[in-house]
Amino acid sequence: EVQLQQSGPEVGRPGSSVKISCKASGYTFTDYVMNWVKQSPGQGLEWIGWIDPEYGSTDYAEKFKKKATLTADTSSSTAYIQLSSLTSEDTATYFCARTTHFDYWGQGVMVTVSS
Amino acid sequence: DIQMTQSPASLSASLGETVTIECRASEDIYNGLAWYQQKPGKSPQLLIYNANSLHTGVPSRFSGSGSGTQYSLKINSLQSEDVASYFCQQYYNYPLTFGSGTKLEIK
Repeated sequence: EVQLQQSGPEVGRPGSSVKISCKASGYTFTDYVMNWVKQSPGQGLEWIGWIDPEYGSTDYAEKFKKKATLTADTSSSTAYIQLSSLTSEDTATYFCARTTHFDYWGQGVMVTVSS
Repeated sequence: DIQMTQSPASLSASLGETVTIECRASEDIYNGLAWYQQKPGKSPQLLIYNANSLHTGVPSRFSGSGSGTQYSLKINSLQSEDVASYFCQQYYNYPLTFGSGTKLEIK
């Protein structure tokens, strides 16, 4: 059974960084790209970017190129997203989702930016 | 970027009814379209991919159709567990983009 298990909720101060994880199981981690998606409170869905765990290659939506950094650790089948220079606009739930049509999703991580 | 225009924004229907949600792309996306269901407090779940392919385990009352720039999701025999928000997403080209969502309620 494919599962994507994300880390717990995060609280970050303005200007700081947070790093969220997404541990994959039930399939070969390097066979599929991993995407990240942002959902602001009560809002729709925004694609942040993807990482190919096999090669470490990445692609980002223009809006997130200076905000997000995607990495992957093949030894633990875990993908990561780091969000930097946090502002109130980053308060949202962040999901990992497998492949280009998001066939499996993590449960989401709520990030709250607060001083 | 490809813009996805989804309608209606909200929808109220009776149990057993058939409902249709539409999505229009700003350019041809060659069936690179998926539909998702999201229940409150949960992550989205894939229903349909490649415009008309049913994802594993999704009830057959859900179906997708369309081509070019126009796509639709149909739910037959509406059930109480179908109360959710529904989103379309194009994956023909990057950046991947979503429709703004449709909130489905039971009358």
